[in-house]
Amino acid sequence: KNQVEQSPQSLIILEGKNCTLQCNYTVSPFSNLRWYKQDTGRGPVSLTIMTFSENTKSNGRYTATLDADTKQSSLHITASQLSDSASYICVVTPGYSSASKIIFGSGTRLSIRP
Amino acid sequence: DVKVTQSSRYLVKRTGEKVFLECVQDMDHENMFWYRQDPGLGLRLIYFSYDVKMKEKGDIPEGYSVSREKKERFSLILESASTNQTSMYLCASSWGQGSNTGELFFGEGSRLTVL
Repeated sequence: KNQVEQSPQSLIILEGKNCTLQCNYTVSPFSNLRWYKQDTGRGPVSLTIMTFSENTKSNGRYTATLDADTKQSSLHITASQLSDSASYICVVTPGYSSASKIIFGSGTRLSIRP
Repeated sequence: DVKVTQSSRYLVKRTGEKVFLECVQDMDHENMFWYRQDPGLGLRLIYFSYDVKMKEKGDIPEGYSVSREKKERFSLILESASTNQTSMYLCASSWGQGSNTGELFFGEGSRLTVL
């Protein structure tokens, strides 16, 4: 069964520190992997996208990595800010399938403390 | 600026009531989606539409129906609301087909409470 699992479920760090969020997937075949940021009470917003052949993608202080062999992705946040407090969701699109088969992880809830 | 607009941010309904959730996108996207989001469960697809009047059941369609009469509008209908339908409902839209589907653009969400 195609699955996306994220860890940790929640994380608290001090402002200015770095952190790394993990995503493991069992989706095959694989088309692309996206990371979304969801602020409390808002809809998710895309941060990065990576296809099978890409292994790193940056968006400001956010850097996503992908290891297609081990089916793992990580999202690294550098020099965290209070505005980074949100849920981060890993989303995998299977290959050769309907858009209805997009799979969401359950997210990591990140809290940044001043 | 791209926009997906959901008609209501917060709704409170009684068991058995009919509930309409409306979603409008201004990006001329082919695809529109309705998800529900519950703590610890992530986003689960209720229904997906890839064209006007076309729909596809998602993972949890029971108790829901949808309507897409115009390309920009996708409605979610709860025929007879029940307490287990209390949730956050998220509408999304995207371009593309199949595994070439582009980024999902989400609305702000509609938090429904059924008493």
